Amino acid sequence: DAGVIQSPRHEVTEMGQEVTLRCKPISGHNSLFWYRQTMMRGLELLIYFNNNVPIDDSGMPEDRFSAKMPNASFSTLKIQPSEPRDSAVYFCASRYDAGNSPLHFGNGTRLTVT
Amino acid sequence: GQNIDQPTEMTATEGAIVQINCTYQTSGFNGLFWYQQHAGEAPTFLSYNVLDGLEEKGRFSSFLSRSKGYSYLLLKELQMKDSASYLCAAPTYGQNFVFGPGTRLSVLP
Repeated sequence: DAGVIQSPRHEVTEMGQEVTLRCKPISGHNSLFWYRQTMMRGLELLIYFNNNVPIDDSGMPEDRFSAKMPNASFSTLKIQPSEPRDSAVYFCASRYDAGNSPLHFGNGTRLTVT
Repeated sequence: GQNIDQPTEMTATEGAIVQINCTYQTSGFNGLFWYQQHAGEAPTFLSYNVLDGLEEKGRFSSFLSRSKGYSYLLLKELQMKDSASYLCAAPTYGQNFVFGPGTRLSVLP
């Protein structure tokens, strides 16, 4: 099993540019989660999907952030326009929707907005 | 809603035992998870508790008391490689997988 695959691993962009982060969950997992991690705020849940449907996006910081899951094997998190305060590590994670099923994390995307 | 609390930092000596606590308040308890995260890496799954009591897995054990909203992770025979952050999470029935702030453990020689 390849695990959760995220791309790119690193992204450096200028303020105002659009950023798209990509995630391929583990095959068979039906829940997908996007997190943001910073030293100040820890690991924050941004949005999660169940069976490709967004269930809770209350963690999305503002309208500049959007996420989609067009099918069971692909999700994107988009920031438009990006700002320096968006600099963080963004993790995607997936799990099978059952009580004791753990979350499996991708390696993350380190985003730097200058 | 959910409220999860953990100590921010802990320090221990190689070979010792350390206990990392986690308190939670959640509507609709569905088990408690512990994760380990080394600096610059992704979190990895350590343990899961849904019933009261101690679950042992090698050098790591995890305890749960549902009536007290309390869990701890016990690390025995500490090694330098155990220096990491340890995060607990108590997802609700809605599967909202929210993590606590994490405890950064430093193991000293």
